[in-house]
Amino acid sequence: DQQVKQNSPSLSVQEGRISILNCDYTNSMFDYFLWYKKYPAEGPTFLISISSIKDKNEDGRFTVFLNKSAKHLSLHIVPSQPGDSAVYFCAASALSGGGADGLTFGKGTHLIIQP
Amino acid sequence: KAGVTQTPRYLIKTRGQQVTLSCSPISGHRSVSWYQQTPGQGLQFLFEYFSETQRNKGNFPGRFSGRQFSNSRSEMNVSTLELGDSALYLCASSVGITIGASDTQYFGPGTRLTVL
Repeated sequence: DQQVKQNSPSLSVQEGRISILNCDYTNSMFDYFLWYKKYPAEGPTFLISISSIKDKNEDGRFTVFLNKSAKHLSLHIVPSQPGDSAVYFCAASALSGGGADGLTFGKGTHLIIQP
Repeated sequence: KAGVTQTPRYLIKTRGQQVTLSCSPISGHRSVSWYQQTPGQGLQFLFEYFSETQRNKGNFPGRFSGRQFSNSRSEMNVSTLELGDSALYLCASSVGITIGASDTQYFGPGTRLTVL
């Protein structure tokens, strides 16, 4: 049973446009969400996070939106740049429960920025 | 500040053998977590160590074990290797006490294990 789902294995976006990566979760205990970016042959790199007490968090070109009622979050990248081409992982944790199950990751979305 | 390092980067073993992977966290970080990444299952949490104690464990068989030393370095061991253990094993370190807390986890480059 996959608790964090990224239903788009890949996404192609033109340089300069907005990239929107989506993530759905099923576990209502999740209260902290993160996005990681991964280049080939490297470990994931933390991008941005959001707590369930917020519905939006912004950091430069990256904005994460959380819709708790829909159990859905999204990552917006504006404007998209060639260096953004990577695999993006959504992750969730149940902090209020002590985070005993670690981070639960989605399977990733491969973002391709086309010139 | 040096990042998380993992050794070896690549490893080839045969079924039935055992393997030990090593992770050195960022200086000052006391929490080390291990993850397995496979194409089919994605990234899955193995276990987390803090102050030489395993605090949390994911849903993996007992063949997967680990330990942490007083300098926070961690090792992960897999015994009686199976073909399905072929994966990228990632280590992540963080300052904080609770896994998944708001302090960031920093990942190493991973060890690519191939079981033949």
